[in-house]
Amino acid sequence: DIQMTQSPSTLSASVGDKVTITCRASQSLSRWVAWYQQKPLKGPKLLIYAASTLESGVPSRFSGGGSGTEFTLTISSLQPDDFATYYCQQHHSSPWTFGQGTKVEVK
Amino acid sequence: QVQLQESGPGLVKPSQTLSLTCTVSGASITSDSFSWNWVRQRPREGLEWIGNISYSGITSYNPSLKSRVTISADTSKNQFFLNLKSVTAADTAVYYCARDDSFDYHIDYWGQGTLVTVSS
Repeated sequence: DIQMTQSPSTLSASVGDKVTITCRASQSLSRWVAWYQQKPLKGPKLLIYAASTLESGVPSRFSGGGSGTEFTLTISSLQPDDFATYYCQQHHSSPWTFGQGTKVEVK
Repeated sequence: QVQLQESGPGLVKPSQTLSLTCTVSGASITSDSFSWNWVRQRPREGLEWIGNISYSGITSYNPSLKSRVTISADTSKNQFFLNLKSVTAADTAVYYCARDDSFDYHIDYWGQGTLVTVSS
């Protein structure tokens, strides 16, 4: 299975901050990585797929980058609604696997 | 608007079979553009893909669970199902159903999830 290592596990930030989360894969994924936002008691919400494609309806302050084995999710200016947990997922090879999550909390 | 809703018992005894239903609205499970997935999230752990079923009924499973999992569908009701047999406490989790795009397999819609506890 492809291992997805996400960092940091927790990130403390303030409204307006630029935030970057990193995901490293155990093998090359080309560009096949997605990012999700999850809030308590809710299913994950798709933000980004194919490394950098913004899902329809997702604010443009979210962006994704990277290829191969290293990928990033960036929030350009953190908003109150963005405090949540974020997961990366590889959609390159079955079984699909996820990172362990990054909790973005209030500083 | 695509919606997925999980349903089933919230408590299952050890060694029994966990059975869940996902009811889909706003999309047809027979559309060749999508596959239909089950994913779980164990307490204080990350997300684990269980398996999926395609529009044509072809299934794919995570090797870590393959010996115990069956995913099936009822196209007349636009529902798909998860059966996980011989459960233990380690199978206690929130179970999600989700849709993926059959072009590049990213998951675009998720249900809200249902907590299943395995306990006697």
